[in-house]
Amino acid sequence: DGGITQSPKYLFRKEGQNVTLSCEQNLNHDAMYWYRQDPGQGLRLIYYSQIVNDFQKGDIAEGYSVSREKKESFPLTVTSAQKNPTAFYLCASTDRGRGRASLYGYTFGSGTRLTVV
Amino acid sequence: DAKTTQPPSMDCAEGRAANLPCNHSTISGNEYVYWYRQIHSQGPQYIIHGLKNNETNEMASLIITEDRKSSTLILPHATLRDTAVYYCIVRVPNTGNQFYFGTGTSLTVIP
Repeated sequence: DGGITQSPKYLFRKEGQNVTLSCEQNLNHDAMYWYRQDPGQGLRLIYYSQIVNDFQKGDIAEGYSVSREKKESFPLTVTSAQKNPTAFYLCASTDRGRGRASLYGYTFGSGTRLTVV
Repeated sequence: DAKTTQPPSMDCAEGRAANLPCNHSTISGNEYVYWYRQIHSQGPQYIIHGLKNNETNEMASLIITEDRKSSTLILPHATLRDTAVYYCIVRVPNTGNQFYFGTGTSLTVIP
């Protein structure tokens, strides 16, 4: 079955360390997204990518970096510049074509919970 | 970008219909209404979407008012597994298909 896989499910980071969260999809979707969710809050967009080798900043990109070298992969690096990285991180993808499939919106991964220790 | 307003929380008795309202008074003509739900510590799950006609699928029904300024998600026979946060989202056009999530409605189904 097609879907999005995020790994790891739980991640612990020491202060000052960079960590990379993995997101892989086999849905052949063009666009991929990273969101951050804090307790009791909605999702906030960090970065998104509509095609390979291209990505755009979302609303809270500071302290994060991404790459999109392959269509199926969109890893997120949480750098030491992110002062409050403890959160639940969600990856999503969608087809950005003009067909009906693109109207079904996002498919989400199961998330990675990052904790700074 | 059009935004949505939802009540922060609702309760529903098990087996009864759950009606979740959403206001999107600034929606534009080519924007769709989407509903997702998120069970604790999981990724949001797509439920249904619509443009202006009412829609129904195996999970829920979506009722959109004629002026499209509000909508209602209906779970016809709520179960305990429907306890989740429900997000009403208006799709932003021509911006890479971004979806803006608010805080949603926390639905609790009571036995």
